[in-house]
Amino acid sequence: AQSVSQHNHHVILSEAASLELGCNYSYGGTVNLFWYVQYPGQHLQLLLKYFSGDPLVKGIKGFEAEFIKSKFSFNLRKPSVQWSDTAEYFCAVSTLNSGGYQKVTFGIGTKLQVIP
Amino acid sequence: DGGITQSPKYLFRKEGQNVTLSCEQNLNHDAMYWYRQDPGQGLRLIYYSQIVNDFQKGDIAEGYSVSREKKESFPLTVTSAQKNPTAFYLCASGIGTGVSQPQHFGDGTRLSIL
Repeated sequence: AQSVSQHNHHVILSEAASLELGCNYSYGGTVNLFWYVQYPGQHLQLLLKYFSGDPLVKGIKGFEAEFIKSKFSFNLRKPSVQWSDTAEYFCAVSTLNSGGYQKVTFGIGTKLQVIP
Repeated sequence: DGGITQSPKYLFRKEGQNVTLSCEQNLNHDAMYWYRQDPGQGLRLIYYSQIVNDFQKGDIAEGYSVSREKKESFPLTVTSAQKNPTAFYLCASGIGTGVSQPQHFGDGTRLSIL
């Protein structure tokens, strides 16, 4: 069964600091990877996604993530965070099960707090 | 605007009572999903449906039931067999074909026990 691990549950940074949120998954087959963000009081929204090709993917608001297949990792990065990046971030992996159904599994989330 | 509508926003359940959470989408998506979000546990999959009149159990289906009679609707019933129903419930939808499609989410329903 697939699983997703996010190692940092709560991260506090000052504005302009660099960000890296860890995400590791366990699954032996083909995966697609996502990062979602949930700003305070808002619904979950897609930040970026990896399907195939260039393992370095760029998303909205200056975020990027790198898929390292050998490490089963898909870490999220941003060179310089802003106060408006305060949110909860979820890593997710999707696979096809034996019945041909897309199953998406989420990590437990990382709460990022950016201090002005 | 296309999107996912969940109702009600807040719901209270008495002991031994079944309650139904509504989820409607006008995105013409084939796939729909129900997740439960608890503090410190992230999102856990309850049920998902790839097509009308078909659905699959997720990781924590016990105590829940669903139906998918229409493409745009995927109601979730929290039965009295679910002993710890207090949580935030999220409905999502996706195009559903193949592995690659991400999901759109509703605003959620917060269920509490009286």
